[in-house]
Amino acid sequence: GAVVSQHPSWVICKSGTSVKIECRSLDFQATTMFWYRQFPKQSLMLMATSNEGSKATYEQGVEKDKFLINHASLTLSTLTVTSAHPEDSSFYICSVDGLAEARGTDTQYFGPGTRLTVL
Amino acid sequence: TQLLEQSPQFLSIQEGENLTVYCNSSSVFSSLQWYRQEPGEGPVLLVTVVTGGEVKKLKRLTFQFGDARKDSSLHITAAQPGDTGLYLCAGAGRQAGTALIFGKGTTLSVSS
Repeated sequence: GAVVSQHPSWVICKSGTSVKIECRSLDFQATTMFWYRQFPKQSLMLMATSNEGSKATYEQGVEKDKFLINHASLTLSTLTVTSAHPEDSSFYICSVDGLAEARGTDTQYFGPGTRLTVL
Repeated sequence: TQLLEQSPQFLSIQEGENLTVYCNSSSVFSSLQWYRQEPGEGPVLLVTVVTGGEVKKLKRLTFQFGDARKDSSLHITAAQPGDTGLYLCAGAGRQAGTALIFGKGTTLSVSS
């Protein structure tokens, strides 16, 4: 399967600051990446679909001006949490759509996640 | 809107017991994935099932895709403490490149 990395693995920041999270596809080119948010012992909540070279598609209820997504290359997507507040504290996970690699099935491969804590 | 109902949500068993996790939907999926996630880590893919009626085995784990491709199950035989974790099922729609539909997850705890 695809190898996906995230950086940083954890970050603590002060309220009002911005935090950038990187998601990299290490072994194949990904035209589509996904960003999720997860609360303790809950399932993943899709935030947005990141498409290389075009604007991200945000899920209903997710503020696009607060969660900025940039997918400038086939191996890198970034999520920037702007003016972070304590309620933004969560586990953020990205995934890569392994369509090509999985021979036609929409298997996704996930990064290790980034724990964001906003004080 | 496609939904995946996953049950049970929580499961606490003793080592050596068997268990089954179910994912059900009224919608047809082109494929269905099962993931396992440990605290503080991303989900790790266990299996992808594509064909209706398909059964896949991964050591003590058996995955089944329903004939109509609307439901799936994960059966663990002789559970071990190392099986503890969050199990997620996720269905893929017919349109390629779209997001998966996730179940709410099953938190499994196996005690020795």
